[in-house]
Amino acid sequence: GAVVSQHPSRVICKSGTSVKIECRSLDFQATTMFWYRQFPKKSLMLMATSNEGSKATYEQGVEKDKFLINHASLTLSTLTVTSAHPEDSSFYICSAREGIESYNSPLHFGNGTRLTVT
Amino acid sequence: DQQVKQNSPSLSVQEGRISILNCDYTNSMFDYFLWYKKYPAEGPTFLISISSIKDKNEDGRFTVFLNKSAKHLSLHIVPSQPGDSAVYFCAASDTDKLIFGTGTRLQVFP
Repeated sequence: GAVVSQHPSRVICKSGTSVKIECRSLDFQATTMFWYRQFPKKSLMLMATSNEGSKATYEQGVEKDKFLINHASLTLSTLTVTSAHPEDSSFYICSAREGIESYNSPLHFGNGTRLTVT
Repeated sequence: DQQVKQNSPSLSVQEGRISILNCDYTNSMFDYFLWYKKYPAEGPTFLISISSIKDKNEDGRFTVFLNKSAKHLSLHIVPSQPGDSAVYFCAASDTDKLIFGTGTRLQVFP
């Protein structure tokens, strides 16, 4: 089946530094990738929609200058948390939709990245 | 504003019995619903889905029921197995976005 690889799985960084998280679709082309953030005991919150070759679409309340998303190819999207703060500590998950299937197609999820900012 | 709600944060069921996970939504524009299963430190995996034109979809031990008038869907797992122990998220979509519920932790005990 389709696989989405997310790296790293865990990262600890100091306040003020930047962290890059990669999301790769391993055996399919993903024209659209999504980035989610999960808070403890809360839902998966959509942060942004990443479209290959164009600018990401951010959800309301998500700072685009803080969470930089780049979708440079059909198999890779990156999320960079800039000038990280302890409040940015969270579990970030990417997902991808295979090809140009309809929006009702299930998403394939990566295994997530646990970010801890000290 | 939580458009998709799972009011039971946890559920405990004995092995072999039926597990029923519930989900309510507020947006009548949602026309497709999915259930995902999630283990700790892993991303969600797709389980089963249903279109708003149907009221039931079955796949093996998993059945999803949709009641549009009540804006309610449920996931039935029967018989429940210990390996089903995980967090279950319902999700709804009307465009390109998936809106997730808060999840229900299911524990199946022997």
